[in-house]
Amino acid sequence: NAGVTQTPKFQVLKTGQSMTLQCAQDMNHNSMYWYRQDPGMGLRLIYYSASEGTTDKGEVPNGYNVSRLNKREFSLRLESAAPSQTSVYFCASSPLGTLAGTDTQYFGPGTRLTVL
Amino acid sequence: AQSVAQPEDQVNVAEGNPLTVKCTYSVSGNPYLFWYVQYPNRGLQFLLKYITGDNLVKGSYGFEAEFNKSQTSFHLKKPSALVSDSALYFCAVRDIDRYSTLTFGKGTMLLVSP
Repeated sequence: NAGVTQTPKFQVLKTGQSMTLQCAQDMNHNSMYWYRQDPGMGLRLIYYSASEGTTDKGEVPNGYNVSRLNKREFSLRLESAAPSQTSVYFCASSPLGTLAGTDTQYFGPGTRLTVL
Repeated sequence: AQSVAQPEDQVNVAEGNPLTVKCTYSVSGNPYLFWYVQYPNRGLQFLLKYITGDNLVKGSYGFEAEFNKSQTSFHLKKPSALVSDSALYFCAVRDIDRYSTLTFGKGTMLLVSP
């Protein structure tokens, strides 16, 4: 099992450019998540998908859109990148979903994004 | 609203000594609590979680955590630190009664010296 995979690993954008971060999991998990990690701020939830066909906003959704393409894949799109979106982005998945409090999340290796 | 506090940005300990990484939480209902570890340039790895039952939870790599409801704390501990334990540690909480998503603390860097 590859677990949770993310592409690309690194990306540099200019202000105003768009891009899509890809995430896939092969564990047959129901829920998937996108976080951003900034120094001294921990992880903050951008969007999540409790199950295939649903998506919901997290703590910091502005400037982002998501698509739950199928059960395996959950993409994050930046339509017009801004320097404030420079961050490390992590995708995660969990078996049961946000309604199951015991659910453990499994993380991908991250995408390091720089917006100039 | 739920929240997590990790009061120490960094913890320094000598190899072989016991270590503690502190975490306190705030939820309106009952908490589920998690610890994750992040090694350099890697994603987060699950260490352990408290759901219910015994207040002392044992996890991966010899780590354990003690749930204290009266002090709203969930400190991570290990009896004997290894240099390889050096990493960034995150505490996280979710509110059972509100079907909430996971809230992470800001992280504590653990440095174990030889």
